[in-house]
Amino acid sequence: EIVLTQSPATLSLSPGERATLSCRASQSVSSNLAWYQQKPGQAPRLLIFDASNRATGIPARFSGGGSGTDFTLTISSLDPEDFALYYCQQRSNWPYTFGQGTKLEIK
Amino acid sequence: QVQLVQSGAEVKKPGASVKVSCEASGYTFSSYAMHWVRQAPGQRFEWMGWILPDSGNTEYSQKFQGRLTLTRDTSANTAYMELSSLRSDDTAVYYCAKDRGGTGDWDSWGQGALVTVSS
Repeated sequence: EIVLTQSPATLSLSPGERATLSCRASQSVSSNLAWYQQKPGQAPRLLIFDASNRATGIPARFSGGGSGTDFTLTISSLDPEDFALYYCQQRSNWPYTFGQGTKLEIK
Repeated sequence: QVQLVQSGAEVKKPGASVKVSCEASGYTFSSYAMHWVRQAPGQRFEWMGWILPDSGNTEYSQKFQGRLTLTRDTSANTAYMELSSLRSDDTAVYYCAKDRGGTGDWDSWGQGALVTVSS
């Protein structure tokens, strides 16, 4: 099973700042990685698929990069609505697995 | 727009079974795999399996083999997840999630159904 490790666990930033979240895979997943955002009491929302493609309706301030084992999710200028939990997920091998999450909180 | 509406919260005793439904609307139900994912308190999301609504073919995570049954009713645009021999560590929020298109990632999710297993 592929293990995804996200860092940092918590990221404290202010609105308008740039956020960079990381996800590392225990073995190569090529570009088969997605990012989700989850707010309290809500289901996850797909942000990025195939490592770098924005899902429908996702603002351009969200971008993804990386391939193989190292990936990043960047939010160029934080909006107050962006403070939430973020998860990466790989679809390269069964079982599909998730990272443990990064909490993006307001500083 | 795409909507996945799940059945409500359940409380079950250890050893019992639970069946959660997921009614889909806003897209062609038979054309996209439906996955089931759960999140136990303080734990990572866990992918459980998928069903192809058109054929009824399924694939289960090895962790849930023998306890998990995914079915669908295409006339009702509804998918079902049944988990048997429940244990306390099956307490979790269970989500259905629509596959983006044969990809293994998910562009729409149900609202989640809390299943509590307690004696």
